[in-house]
Amino acid sequence: AQSVTQLGSHVSVSEGALVLLRCNYSSSVPPYLFWYVQYPNQGLQLLLKYTTGATLVKGINGFEAEFKKSETSFHLTKPSAHMSDAAEYFCAVSPLYGNNRLAFGKGNQVVVIP
Amino acid sequence: GAGVSQSPSNKVTEKGKDVELRCDPISGHTALYWYRQRLGQGLEFLIYFQGNSAPDKSGLPSDRFSAERTGESVSTLTIQRTQQEDSAVYLCASSLIFADGYTFGSGTRLTVV
Repeated sequence: AQSVTQLGSHVSVSEGALVLLRCNYSSSVPPYLFWYVQYPNQGLQLLLKYTTGATLVKGINGFEAEFKKSETSFHLTKPSAHMSDAAEYFCAVSPLYGNNRLAFGKGNQVVVIP
Repeated sequence: GAGVSQSPSNKVTEKGKDVELRCDPISGHTALYWYRQRLGQGLEFLIYFQGNSAPDKSGLPSDRFSAERTGESVSTLTIQRTQQEDSAVYLCASSLIFADGYTFGSGTRLTVV
């Protein structure tokens, strides 16, 4: 069974500073990996995904993430935070073969300080 | 439709009443998922449909919870004899190709008083 660890439920970042959200997973087989963002009172929106191929993936709104198999990690970064990045971010994982069910981390609530 | 639609968006119900939550997935999406999101917590898997069949019901927390899907389209999640711990946002998602990820609806916020 796969699981996802996101440390630090709340993350504060200054406007213009680097955003770094950490995600580590445990999976018995190479996984699919996803990051989702949730704005207040909305559903989750896909930011980016890794399935196969290039390990550095770029997503919407200037975010990117790198799959590191040796570290079982898929950390999310953005070079310069904007006020509009304030939201909750979820990392999710699923094995390439199996029940197609995504397992989500507990999420990071990002607060952007002006 | 253009996106995943859930109704109602908000529901307040008295403890012990039954509720039905509806999900309209994106047309043509064969897979449909229900998740629950409690305040301050991550997403908890409830059930997964492939077509009209539910190969994975393992996340349903008790026999008070049930779900069905008809016409490979609309799904209904039913909670009988609601309890206060059922208060949460219930999210529905659909997908065609799993590698593309899920498309989520905006959720139904259920409050049991």
